[in-house]
Amino acid sequence: DTAVSQTPKYLVTQMGNDKSIKCEQNLGHDTMYWYKQDSKKFLKIMFSYNNKELIINETVPNRFSPKSPDKAHLNLHINSLELGDSAVYFCASSPRMDSYYEQYFGPGTRLTVT
Amino acid sequence: SQQGEEDPQALSIQEGENATMNCSYKTSINNLQWYRQNSGRGLVHLILIRSNEREKHSGRLRVTLDTSKKSSSLLITASRAADTASYFCATYSNSKLTFGKGITLSVRP
Repeated sequence: DTAVSQTPKYLVTQMGNDKSIKCEQNLGHDTMYWYKQDSKKFLKIMFSYNNKELIINETVPNRFSPKSPDKAHLNLHINSLELGDSAVYFCASSPRMDSYYEQYFGPGTRLTVT
Repeated sequence: SQQGEEDPQALSIQEGENATMNCSYKTSINNLQWYRQNSGRGLVHLILIRSNEREKHSGRLRVTLDTSKKSSSLLITASRAADTASYFCATYSNSKLTFGKGITLSVRP
């Protein structure tokens, strides 16, 4: 059973389009995250949700809108895609939002904007 | 903003040798974590060390933390070809993990 899953795995789209990435965790965790990994492998947090509530929004352009319909799901919608949005996006989860726990990562979604 | 800085950026060793990777950071932390990323895959958690701990072991992994120097090291003993991957240190503070740029480890069979 996959602990943290993301769909799609690959996404190729043109500038200006709108796209969504879905994430689901079956670990019963309270907290979920979105990260962006650029071409140099630098990984940066974008958002975190705890019990469906937005906790961290790390100065991400408002073209990015996360949505958490329930604790097990955290989706990422991106409007008006730009070339600079090309990256690998990782979803992650942890049992609670505190310093005692590690994070479990999904396999990533490679987004290519042409 | 980036918190952890790993050193070296790339490391190539022979199977059976030990690999030592270092991480330095700038601000106070709750804990420091190490993750591994195989090519084209997600990150896998290796070990977490809290700010009041100095050393921790897990299998072939040994992590040290020196909060006075704001540095950590990850030692992988008796390396295997399967250890070839990128390794990231990440510091936890202000309810979030901040990752370094990563170290590419190549283990030659």
